[in-house]
Amino acid sequence: NAGVTQTPKFRILKIGQSMTLQCTQDMNHNYMYWYRQDPGMGLKLIYYSVGAGITDKGEVPNGYNVSRSTTEDFPLRLELAAPSQTSVYFCASSSGLAGIFGPGTRLTVT
Amino acid sequence: DAKTTQPNSMESNEEEPVHLPCNHSTISGTDYIHWYRQLPSQGPEYVIHGLTSNVNNRMASLAIAEDRKSSTLILHRATLRDAAVYYCILSDLLNTNAGKSTFGDGTTLTVKP
Repeated sequence: NAGVTQTPKFRILKIGQSMTLQCTQDMNHNYMYWYRQDPGMGLKLIYYSVGAGITDKGEVPNGYNVSRSTTEDFPLRLELAAPSQTSVYFCASSSGLAGIFGPGTRLTVT
Repeated sequence: DAKTTQPNSMESNEEEPVHLPCNHSTISGTDYIHWYRQLPSQGPEYVIHGLTSNVNNRMASLAIAEDRKSSTLILHRATLRDAAVYYCILSDLLNTNAGKSTFGDGTTLTVKP
């Protein structure tokens, strides 16, 4: 039981590049989330999903896209990376009551 | 969406109890109250949740006001490892935003030896 895994752990992108942050959970949770956390700040919800095939915007969705084709996977796509997207990205899954967070992906856009 | 309000920071002495407050005056009847904490350089970890009744687990206790407009996370004996940012969040699983969980800025707890 690995919980929530995220890849990569670190990444440096150039402005305008694209990438996909991977998130996988093995707990058969219906709910999955993507958050970003800027230095010294709290977490901001980017997108969330209540089940396979269903996604919805959170507080800060601009510049990101998600998909949920399976219960296990919830990738986050960054198109045309900008310096403002430099942040730590956390994926989480939940049964609805107790959430489990992944270790995070530290992304730098220069 | 119902919002929560927490003090920016609190201090405690080691081995003393800590009461971390959270106000959620616009809470709906179906909102669950969740607490998470984030240790330095780590992702958040689940602490406890409740709906109406007080709750206890191995990490903490959650006291919920009778009108549900506020709650308190209680750490019975603070240790240095409890120094973290504590987040109180609401999540309504029964409406169209089911599962949407937004974090506020949390309370930074400092534990002094």
